[in-house]
Formats: sequence, structure tokens, C-alpha cells
Amino acid sequence: DIQMTQSPSSLSASVGDRVTITCQASQDINNYLNWYQQKPGKAPKLLIYDASNLEPGVPSRFSGSGSGTDFTFTISSLQAEDLATYYCQQYGDHPPYTFGQGTKLEIK
Amino acid sequence: EVQLLESGGGLVQSGGSLRLSCAASGFTFSNYAMSWVRQAPGKGLEWVSVISGSGGTTYYADSVKGRFTISRDNSKNTLFLQMNSLRAEDTAVFYCAQGGTRAHTYGSHDSWGQGTLVTVSS
Repeated sequence: DIQMTQSPSSLSASVGDRVTITCQASQDINNYLNWYQQKPGKAPKLLIYDASNLEPGVPSRFSGSGSGTDFTFTISSLQAEDLATYYCQQYGDHPPYTFGQGTKLEIK
Repeated sequence: EVQLLESGGGLVQSGGSLRLSCAASGFTFSNYAMSWVRQAPGKGLEWVSVISGSGGTTYYADSVKGRFTISRDNSKNTLFLQMNSLRAEDTAVFYCAQGGTRAHTYGSHDSWGQGTLVTVSS
């Protein structure tokens, strides 16, 4: 099975900061990687698909990059409403479709 | 607008059974793979199972294989998860999630329901 290592597990940043989260796959997953946002008490929401494509309606301050085994998720200018936990997830050719451990983002 | 509405969660004793349902609307249900994803209290997301649009292909996480069965009724736009031999560690919010239309996108979860809580008492 493919393992996803996501870091950091938590971070605290100020409004306006640039925030970066990384995700590493245990083997090549091409670009079969999504990033989700989960606000407290809510269902996850897809932000980025295929590693770098912004889901329609998602603010442009969110972006993703990478291919193969190393991926990055960035919030260019943090907003207060971005308080959430963020997950990467690989969906390669075969299940299981594994998630990263999550990054809990707090606003200073 | 895609809508997914789970139901069927509740409190069950260890060793018991429960059947979850997910009513879908806003898209051509039979074209899309569907998954169940769960989240134990205070924990991360764990993919549980996926079924292809036709229902002919299913996959399971090792942690539920042999105990859970995913199915769908395309005439009623409904996804199911039959859960048998439940354990305390199955306690979680269960989400249904829309996948893609092609095999390599089955696990790409574009839309999610609000979740239904399953509590297994020991």
C-alpha cells in the first residue's frame, strides 16, 4: 500500500502569511493527488485535484504543485476563514486510497 | 448541485450490524464511482470502500474486508454500506463521497455528504 507522509501535523500562522504544507508518497503516484480542507464539525471539501488544479469556486490563494512522490500545498495569503485541517490524499490506480495524517492550521 | 445525504448511523453493540445509506442527487448517479470514508473521533480520514458506477467493481480497506459490503441501487440513486461484526474501533463518522467516472479517478472525491455517526459500544 502507498503511504502518505504529510507535514507539519500542525502550524500556527498570522493573517496574511504564506503557508506551505508538504506531502510525500511512498512511491510514484504520478499526479493522482488531492488536497482537502475540513473545517471543524464539517465534511471535507475538495480544494485541489490532480496535484495542481484548483476546484471551481475555490479562492485563488490556494494552490498545489508537485508530481511523482513530492507535493506541496500553499496558501499565499492566509485568511481567518482558512482555520481548518488540511489533508492530502492519493488516488492512484489501485486502492486503498490513502490520506495524509492531516495538518491542523491555527490562526495566531 | 451535487447533494449526498447519509443516514442509518446510530449506537450498536460490539458484534452487531448496521446498514448505512447515502441518497444522491444533482448528477447522473450511475456514471460515478462512490466511496465511503470514515473519521474516528478526533482522528484523520480513512478510506473504507469504493464501488464503480455500474456496481460491478468493489474494493475495501483491509480493516473492513470481510465485514463490510458496499452496494448501490442506481434506480434509486442510493449507495449502501452493510456493516457486520462491528467493533469498538469502527466508531466513526461515515461519509459518502462522489468519485470519478474512470477507473483511475474512482478515489478522487469531488463531493461529500455531511456524514452519519456510528458508535459501537463494547
